[in-house]
Amino acid sequence: DAKTTQPTSMDCAEGRAANLPCNHSTISGNEYVYWYRQIHSQGPQYIIHGLKNNETNEMASLIITEDRKSSTLILPHATLRDTAVYYCIVRVAQGAQKLVFGQGTRLTINP
Amino acid sequence: DAGVTQSPTHLIKTRGQQVTLRCSPKSGHDTVSWYQQALGQGPQFIFQYYEEEERQRGNFPDRFSGHQFPNYSSELNVNALLLGDSALYLCASSFRGLGHEQYFGPGTRLTVT
Repeated sequence: DAKTTQPTSMDCAEGRAANLPCNHSTISGNEYVYWYRQIHSQGPQYIIHGLKNNETNEMASLIITEDRKSSTLILPHATLRDTAVYYCIVRVAQGAQKLVFGQGTRLTINP
Repeated sequence: DAGVTQSPTHLIKTRGQQVTLRCSPKSGHDTVSWYQQALGQGPQFIFQYYEEEERQRGNFPDRFSGHQFPNYSSELNVNALLLGDSALYLCASSFRGLGHEQYFGPGTRLTVT
C-alpha cells in the first residue's frame, strides 16, 4: 500500500470549511484514497473514498488532484463534533483489505 | 441494525495472564479484522478472519491468536501478556466480496499491570 503524509494537527473555526490535505505521491493506478476519522476513544469511522474523480457525500467532499498524488478532504461547515483525528489511507479497492493507518491529522474545531 | 459490537469495554489484567476479547460483526458482514491501537498512535493491523480461517496477518507475535465462529463472530486471544500489550483493541467488519467500507466497533481498552 502506498504511504501517505498528513499534517500532524490543524485548527478550524466552527462554521468554516475545514480542508485536510494528504500527500500520496506513490499511489498506484488501482489504489483508492480513503478517509476515516476517529473521535476520542471511539472506533474509526469511514467518511469517504475516491479513485480519481471528486466525490461528495453527506459528510464531506474529496478532491483528488489530476495526477492523483495528493488529495483534500473538505468538511464544508465544521462543527465542534468534527473534532477528531482524520486518517488518509491508500489501498486497493476491496472492502476486506487491511487498512494501514498513519498518524493522521488531529483536527480541532474551535468555537 | 446493530453495528459492530465488542466486549468487554474495559479489562485489566496482570502481566503473564491470558485474555480473550470478543467481536460481533455488522449484520451481513462475513469478514472480521482486528487492530491494536496504542495510546497516541494509529491502529495497527493484527489479523483478519474469513470463513473461519486467518487470511492475513500483520507483524504481531504468535502470542496473538484468533478464531472466527460459523456465525462470523470472532475472538482475539493474547497469551503471556506484556505491559506493552496495553492498548485499545478494535474490531472491524466488512463484506469480503464487495464494498469499500470497514465498520469499526467501539473497542476494548486493555490495561496490563
